Amino acid sequence: DTGVSQDPRHKITKRGQNVTFRCDPISEHNRLYWYRQTLGQGPEFLTYFQNEAQLEKSRLLSDRFSAERPKGSFSTLEIQRTEQGDSAMYLCASPSRDLVGELFFGEGSRLTVL
Amino acid sequence: GENVEQHPSTLSVQEGDSAVIKCTYSDSASNYFPWYKQELGKGPQLIIDIRSNVGEKKDQRIAVTLNKTAKHFSLHITETQPEDSAVYFCAASSDTDKLIFGTGTRLQVFP
Repeated sequence: DTGVSQDPRHKITKRGQNVTFRCDPISEHNRLYWYRQTLGQGPEFLTYFQNEAQLEKSRLLSDRFSAERPKGSFSTLEIQRTEQGDSAMYLCASPSRDLVGELFFGEGSRLTVL
Repeated sequence: GENVEQHPSTLSVQEGDSAVIKCTYSDSASNYFPWYKQELGKGPQLIIDIRSNVGEKKDQRIAVTLNKTAKHFSLHITETQPEDSAVYFCAASSDTDKLIFGTGTRLQVFP
């Protein structure tokens, strides 16, 4: 258990619906990362937060995606008007407080868009 | 930007044999190289890492080697066990937590 919690673990939705995922990172860690992992591929960076500030967004994050971290603690990732291509595992990660680079991932939220 | 290539994509070994997975990276500024193990339906788990100031690191049956000149690094698992069966990912980064991952290697260890 890395201490990173994600909810829900699985979500099946119909195309066009909105979905929201929540991440509770390791407490008192001020940085938080979102990654996406499609079947048979490695995780791909989506976005990252330093406290409540979203500091970087990947080109993978279209305007249908929005991420927030309102109080610098938990974070949400919302996908509007889902498409079949959004089907993937969405992973949240907390970095180590002491060593740059170490990332500890949650179990992920698997999205299936029908 | 950084690009990480990983091979083989699948690897089957007999229990007790060794397994080697190799990665190459493109950005000479990269200085941190972790390896993750991912079991079915779970998130990636950090198993070992190496920074550019060393050439080799070992942790029990797992070792990682780094050749900065050639820009490649490898994961070595000795005395493999069935519970080592999983997908393994290499990654690279340069002074940040933003990791660039390889495409993964599915390791199967047969009893």
